[in-house]
Amino acid sequence: AQTVTQSQPEMSVQEAETVTLSCTYDTSESDYYLFWYKQPPSRQMILVIRQEAYKQQNATENRFSVNFQKAAKSFSLKISDSQLGDAAMYFCAYRSPYNNNDMRFGAGTRLTVKP
Amino acid sequence: ETGVTQTPRHLVMGMTNKKSLKCEQHLGHNAMYWYKQSAKKPLELMFVYNFKEQTENNSVPSRFSPECPNSSHLFLHLHTLQPEDSALYLCASSHVSGGPVGNIQYFGAGTRLSVL
Repeated sequence: AQTVTQSQPEMSVQEAETVTLSCTYDTSESDYYLFWYKQPPSRQMILVIRQEAYKQQNATENRFSVNFQKAAKSFSLKISDSQLGDAAMYFCAYRSPYNNNDMRFGAGTRLTVKP
Repeated sequence: ETGVTQTPRHLVMGMTNKKSLKCEQHLGHNAMYWYKQSAKKPLELMFVYNFKEQTENNSVPSRFSPECPNSSHLFLHLHTLQPEDSALYLCASSHVSGGPVGNIQYFGAGTRLSVL
């Protein structure tokens, strides 16, 4: 079964600085989808960015970008110019193309942004 | 108005109580999910409904009983819970079809459940 590991339970960053959150996963599939979700104190999970494994180009969404290393099974999230509103739990997730309903999540990384 | 609404936001119940959690989505999706979120653990998928039919039940104890009367509403009926069932229960919805883009799940804000 696919597993997702986030090795950093907590991270902190100074406002306006850059931070990278780590995520690794285990799978035998060659095609799949990867996601980063943000869960602020309001508790509602919000999709930040997604990546299709067959695409070599790293996804970007404004200040958020990923470093997708397929061979290493690594999918890190980089947040540039960090803002106070970025403070949240961040979850990495994996989804197989063969089971649309089965999303595997990591345990999350709590990001603190210092003013 | 958010796309996925969960009520109540907080619930405290005794082990002998019966209560229900409600989820409603306004996104036109046809798949709905219940997840359990415990501290420092990955989200645990509990149930999945596609077009109102249950397609996944990840070995969830029978004291949790889901109900999906239509594609927009999902309930989780709770009965004789244990203190270890205290957690955040999240509802999500998505389109059933996958494809190259992949079905993105949209979440509600969850119900914080405390079992005394």
